[in-house]
Amino acid sequence: SQQGEEDPQALSIQEGENATMNCSYKTSINNLQWYRQNSGRGLVHLILIRSNEREKHSGRLRVTLDTSKKSSSLLITASRAADTASYFCATDQLNTPLVFGKGTRLSVIA
Amino acid sequence: GAGVSQSPSNKVTEKGKDVELRCDPISGHTALYWYRQSLGQGLEFLIYFQGNSAPDKSGLPSDRFSAERTGGSVSTLTIQRTQQEDSAVYLCASRASGAGNTIYFGEGSWLTVV
Repeated sequence: SQQGEEDPQALSIQEGENATMNCSYKTSINNLQWYRQNSGRGLVHLILIRSNEREKHSGRLRVTLDTSKKSSSLLITASRAADTASYFCATDQLNTPLVFGKGTRLSVIA
Repeated sequence: GAGVSQSPSNKVTEKGKDVELRCDPISGHTALYWYRQSLGQGLEFLIYFQGNSAPDKSGLPSDRFSAERTGGSVSTLTIQRTQQEDSAVYLCASRASGAGNTIYFGEGSWLTVV
């Protein structure tokens, strides 16, 4: 089955710096979604990018999608301590479950 | 309700006992998912319900795990004869029909088997 794999597994940066996380997957998709998780509880949806889109912005978030390389990246600009969390990508096809990667643990140090 | 509701929030059970975890999806959402997440790990897919179709049970790790969805709404995940390796957060999610819709997660049920 298709699978998202995030890279790096862990990332530590200073407040104000940009954080970039990458996601690779194996099969064709309808869309790709990024989620955030605090303290091992529920996931919060951040952004969805469709397979025919190449870039999408939402506030300090920028997501790119390269379907030829089967990869996506999430950029968080001007990071804050409150951005500390785990970030997951999930690949999505119609009528199939989202498949999540293992996540990137981001630590933003004030 | 406004969001996906799960209960109990936390459950401690003795090895060998059965447990039931409940998920109340967002009203009108036709798709419902169960995932499991062990400490510090990613999400492991368990089971997926889509409307009136037969559920996708391909992620259930053993026959001790089962789930049902009554009336196309509330879902119950049952784990029989619990083992210590079943300890994890069990996350439920739902979404409206149609590709590309956002999936909404509940806060999860922490299960600890002692």
